[in-house]
Amino acid sequence: GAGVSQSPSNKVTEKGKDVELRCDPISGHTALYWYRQSLGQGLEFLIYFQGNSAPDKSGLPSDRFSAERTGGSVSTLTIQRTQQEDSAVYLCASSLQGAGMNTEAFFGQGTRLTVV
Amino acid sequence: EDKVVQSPLSLVVHEGDTVTLNCSYEVTNFRSLLWYKQEKKAPTFLFMLTSSGIEKKSGRLSSILDKKELSSILNITATQTGDSAIYLCAERGSQGNLIFGKGTKLSVKP
Repeated sequence: GAGVSQSPSNKVTEKGKDVELRCDPISGHTALYWYRQSLGQGLEFLIYFQGNSAPDKSGLPSDRFSAERTGGSVSTLTIQRTQQEDSAVYLCASSLQGAGMNTEAFFGQGTRLTVV
Repeated sequence: EDKVVQSPLSLVVHEGDTVTLNCSYEVTNFRSLLWYKQEKKAPTFLFMLTSSGIEKKSGRLSSILDKKELSSILNITATQTGDSAIYLCAERGSQGNLIFGKGTKLSVKP
């Protein structure tokens, strides 16, 4: 697609429910990143996918968070048993990576998650 | 652990002023440093710096990297109200991941 697409744009869920957030990266981009941004805060790294390599999951805050990337394209971030502190904007980005390549990342518009 | 620190965290100026935003980093196997502007949700790309001492410029914005000092600055001259935003700095290490600082919130008053 023309840009990084995220859905839904807004999600309100009850505490304890599971949610799935979707990211459709720019076609051909091998790298995909997930970040979380709480109100007034910077971007907190969650997970990074690069091609067929094992993802860097070092930023996932707890085992309630998981992500997968199917076929090297679309990614889904899943939050199980949501808590109020999970409320934030979840941003996805993609970039063209690879041997010798060093390019900027393009961001989607984010999903605003509210846990009530 | 890779780390990016930005200063100041917030800044209020008047139109026409010049501002300098700072970014320092600690990273193993540095590859590049990137600056983004965030007005609403999606950060938009400004600059990517890989070499020390070479200024990147776009209109009233410019940026330069100092690898010896592990830092970068973003300059905005003749600020306008439309420059009000959060400015984010990120470093890319050898694994390709992007680690962001907390950002500098710039407010430009008319």
